[in-house]
Amino acid sequence: QQPVQSPQAVILREGEDAVINCSSSKALYSVHWYRQKHGEAPVFLMILLKGGEQKGHEKISASFNEKKQQSSLYLTASQLSYSGTYFCGTEANYGQNFVFGPGTRLSVLP
Amino acid sequence: EPEVTQTPSHQVTQMGQEVILRCVPISNHLYFYWYRQILGQKVEFLVSFYNNEISEKSEIFDDQFSVERPDGSNFTLKIRSTKLEDSAMYFCASNPNSDISRYTFGSGTRLTVV
Repeated sequence: QQPVQSPQAVILREGEDAVINCSSSKALYSVHWYRQKHGEAPVFLMILLKGGEQKGHEKISASFNEKKQQSSLYLTASQLSYSGTYFCGTEANYGQNFVFGPGTRLSVLP
Repeated sequence: EPEVTQTPSHQVTQMGQEVILRCVPISNHLYFYWYRQILGQKVEFLVSFYNNEISEKSEIFDDQFSVERPDGSNFTLKIRSTKLEDSAMYFCASNPNSDISRYTFGSGTRLTVV
């Protein structure tokens, strides 16, 4: 079952912050975050495993609330290079049934 | 960093023809996947493959599709009797057999059915 992402689209000015949310109706083993530039393959950003951890990657970090089956991706002090579509992907069990969310289109303007 | 390689990058085929999309996963990975992305739409799971057999498949992956690992390196997706709506970007991905899964995607094959 596909996870739900919100918002569908975000427009930011350089330096602004954004939060992208991902939620599932079923118990999850992991949540992944990917960024896709137009015409390119999705690129792995980070993975969060059940246990409610938070991880960081440059100025991009994420949290996973296992009880709520929700994950949030935090982009701080956004840069032009952050523009793209952000997908969360979820696994119910390791290596199985990995499903992408519908994506959140992020546009960072100068 | 190791890469997943897909060929060709772009294939144009006539409706009704068969196509084979090729992927070379990362050599020590054991889980393999195909995903499809119709232009401007979401990335859709097609099939996962482990231990020389399909482990999961989606509703999209019907009898028109098949996958094969003919040798130790290639992983192929065959689409029989292509339809216009099969036009999409097809991504191959692989995943190591480790405690933490991490999907590495190939750069994709753009299939255009005319």
